[in-house]
Amino acid sequence: EAGVAQSPRYKIIEKRQSVAFWCNPISGHATLYWYQQILGQGPKLLIQFQNNGVVDDSQLPKDRFSAERLKGVDSTLKIQPAKLEDSAVYLCASRPLRDTEAFFGQGTRLTVV
Amino acid sequence: GNSVTQMEGPVTLSEEAFLTINCTYTATGYPSLFWYVQYPGEGLQLLLKATKADDKGSNKGFEATYRKETTSFHLEKGSVQVSDSAVYFCAGMGSARQLTFGSGTQLTVLP
Repeated sequence: EAGVAQSPRYKIIEKRQSVAFWCNPISGHATLYWYQQILGQGPKLLIQFQNNGVVDDSQLPKDRFSAERLKGVDSTLKIQPAKLEDSAVYLCASRPLRDTEAFFGQGTRLTVV
Repeated sequence: GNSVTQMEGPVTLSEEAFLTINCTYTATGYPSLFWYVQYPGEGLQLLLKATKADDKGSNKGFEATYRKETTSFHLEKGSVQVSDSAVYFCAGMGSARQLTFGSGTQLTVLP
């Protein structure tokens, strides 16, 4: 079974630029999450989707972050404009609707300079 | 809201030593509890889980028991190996079906 795929693996941008991350969840997983993991900290939830609907985006900084999950499969997370404090690993995870186990991708490491 | 408090690291042990990493949680109701592991250069992997009080999760020699009375889910292993060197995260999942993570504990096992 293929795992959660994320791209790119690494990205370096200057502050005030924009960036987008892509996630392809495990086939059939209805729930998709984006997490932000700052160095030395645990992952923090940004947004949760179920199919193509947003379940919770209360912790997403909506003035600069946006996310979508068209057709309830792939998802993109965008930052515009980026700030230095956005430097982190962005993790995508997916979960079957009736299970508690979430599967994580390898993440995208973003460095804002 | 839910929160997870995890033992601060880093932890350095010699091979074959006993490992305990403490984890306590605060939640409304009784969340499912997890330990995830992150090996160098890799993504988060589920190590073990427990979904109700007194459940014991186990995998690869690691164990953790869901203690409702102390709201704890401490990770233990009787004899660690060099290959266990990684970052370990305790996490809880409540009714909203979202994972809340602790801050992580870096484990280094020396030969």
